[in-house]
Amino acid sequence: SQKIEQNSEALNIQEGKTATLTCNYTNYSPAYLQWYRQDPGRGPVFLLLIRENEKEKRKERLKVTFDTTLKQSLFHITASQPADSATYLCAPENNDMRFGAGTRLTVKP
Amino acid sequence: DAGITQSPRHKVTETGTPVTLRCHQTENHRYMYWYRQDPGHGLRLIHYSYGVKDTDKGEVSDGYSVSRSKTEDFLLTLESATSSQTSVYFCAISESVGLETQYFGPGTRLLVL
Repeated sequence: SQKIEQNSEALNIQEGKTATLTCNYTNYSPAYLQWYRQDPGRGPVFLLLIRENEKEKRKERLKVTFDTTLKQSLFHITASQPADSATYLCAPENNDMRFGAGTRLTVKP
Repeated sequence: DAGITQSPRHKVTETGTPVTLRCHQTENHRYMYWYRQDPGHGLRLIHYSYGVKDTDKGEVSDGYSVSRSKTEDFLLTLESATSSQTSVYFCAISESVGLETQYFGPGTRLLVL
């Protein structure tokens, strides 16, 4: 079956550092992969989509990579700020339209 | 939240009672979805709709039914609520079918006692 794993439940980093979140998928090859942000008590918000023929995509301080050989996406936030604290969900295309369980990022001042 | 509202936002109910959650959109998107979110499981699809009166089951559809009589409204009904249906429920919309660029509502927190 298609599996999606976000390896870390929680990640704590210092303000100004780069946060790196990981999303792995197994048993299939998605045509695209997305990252969403979710704040407590709110619905997820779409951030970025990267397609299988794209290696890297950037949006302001965000960068996403998509390694179809490793079956992995990395999500980077550079120059992190306390306002970046949230849960980040990955969503590789899949038959069940399932999202990953998320990684809770805390950026400390 | 991209013109999507959910009601109620919070509900406490008893086991065995029926519950209906409502999702309303002002974006005129064709596709609407109901998800549940539980710790450790991520978002899982319950049902989705690809047009008025057109719906299909998702991964965790048992115990749930849906209806869509107008483009803007998508209802989720728990026919006889159970404690395992305690969860946070999210409605989402999209212009094309599938995961690509979905917009989510604020969620409904449901507690079944």
